[in-house]
Amino acid sequence: KNEVEQSPQNLTAQEGEFITINCSYSVGISALHWLQQHPGGGIVSLFMLSSGKKKHGRLIATINIQEKHSSLHITASHPRDSAVYICAAPNYGGSQGNLIFGKGTKLSVKP
Amino acid sequence: DAGVTQSPTHLIKTRGQQVTLRCSPKSGHDTVSWYQQALGQGPQFIFQYYEEEERQRGNFPDRFSGHQFPNYSSELNVNALLLGDSALYLCASSYKDIPGHPNSPLHFGNGTRLTVT
Repeated sequence: KNEVEQSPQNLTAQEGEFITINCSYSVGISALHWLQQHPGGGIVSLFMLSSGKKKHGRLIATINIQEKHSSLHITASHPRDSAVYICAAPNYGGSQGNLIFGKGTKLSVKP
Repeated sequence: DAGVTQSPTHLIKTRGQQVTLRCSPKSGHDTVSWYQQALGQGPQFIFQYYEEEERQRGNFPDRFSGHQFPNYSSELNVNALLLGDSALYLCASSYKDIPGHPNSPLHFGNGTRLTVT
């Protein structure tokens, strides 16, 4: 079974700051997922990445397959970025849907 | 293009009752995965349906069962409800999430919040 560790659990930032959230996993995977969950509960998939780096607007996700580590960066943070960010990895031998989730990082960006 | 839709959005049930939750996948998707998220916790995988069959299952008791219909929509059934079943139930859809097929991005619904009293 894959184990997913995420840090920090809580993060408070001032608007405009550069933010990094880290994720490590124990078993080799085909792809890692970064998800965003707002207080209403719905989840938005931000990235699914297998190698290297992906960028979408102010969000950047990187993954190091050898070290089993991924990071999510937010540049020029804004209060609307306040949410819970979750990384998730497929369970060993499982499909992309059979995910093990980290406990999430609750981000609060102050104006 | 409609995304993943779940119904109902909220539900209150009494201990011992049975409940059915519904999920319609994003257009073009054929695989549905279900998750349970207790308050303050990360989601946990319940099971996944593809081609109307349960393909993978997480560590959940048999009280949790499901079904997938020919139009790819899916139901999650929970029997003999316990207080501990109170949670947000999420579904996600994808395309051909099977071994040997390219990785398919997941699209999540907004969830059904179940309260068991």
